[in-house]
Amino acid sequence: QQQVKQSPQSLIVQKGGISIINCAYENTAFDYFPWYQQFPGKGPALLIAIRPDVSEKKEGRFTISFNKSAKQFSLHIMDSQPGDSATYFCAASWYSGSRLTFGEGTQLTVNP
Amino acid sequence: GAGVSQSPSNKVTEKGKDVELRCDPISGHTALYWYRQSLGQGLEFLIYFQGNSAPDKSGLPSDRFSAERTGGSVSTLTIQRTQQEDSAVYLCASRQDRGSVEQYFGPGTRLTVT
Repeated sequence: QQQVKQSPQSLIVQKGGISIINCAYENTAFDYFPWYQQFPGKGPALLIAIRPDVSEKKEGRFTISFNKSAKQFSLHIMDSQPGDSATYFCAASWYSGSRLTFGEGTQLTVNP
Repeated sequence: GAGVSQSPSNKVTEKGKDVELRCDPISGHTALYWYRQSLGQGLEFLIYFQGNSAPDKSGLPSDRFSAERTGGSVSTLTIQRTQQEDSAVYLCASRQDRGSVEQYFGPGTRLTVT
C-alpha cells in the first residue's frame, strides 16, 4: 500500500528531446508528489512537486502530469540538455510533512 | 543561506564497530529526517523528528540503529555493531515547520563497512 513504482530504470535522450519518467502509487491517501534530481555524490534536490487537486504543474522546462484516477504521475523534461543528466526520483507522502516514499529512480542521460 | 550539512562525508569502519553520523539541519527548521540510500533498496526512510514530539522510528531496520536530536537542532544517527549490509549513503533532510512540506537534503555520509 505504500509502494511507489518508477519507470524506466534508465533513459537516454538526445539534446533537445523530451524526457518522460513515469510513476505509479498504491496508497490513495498520498497527497504530495515531489520529484527530486540527484547528481553523483550529491544529495537529492527538490525539483518540482504537485498536489492531487491539480492535473498538471509546470516550472520552466519541467512539467508534472498527474492522473488521480489512475494513481499515476509523470515528469516531462522539455528541451532536454546534457546538464539534465542525473538520477531522478519520484516520491509520495500521505500527509504534509510526513516521510517520503521514493520510487526506484531513473538514470537520465542526455546526449549532446 | 546554508543548507543541510552532514559529517563525515565518508566513513570506513570495520564490521562490529559502532559509528556516529551527524546532521546539521537548516537553521530554524523544526523537522528532521534520516534516509538511507543503497543500491539494492533505493531511498528508504529511517526516522523522523518533529519539534518536541516523539520521533517516528518506524523505519529503523534493527535495534542496532538509533538517533537523537539535541536541542531541536543537530541530530546524530548511531549504528552499533555495524554489519556489511549497513554500507550505504545516509542522507539527512530538514523541513521548515508544520506549514511547509518541502524536504531539503544534505549531501549524505557514505558508510562503508569492511
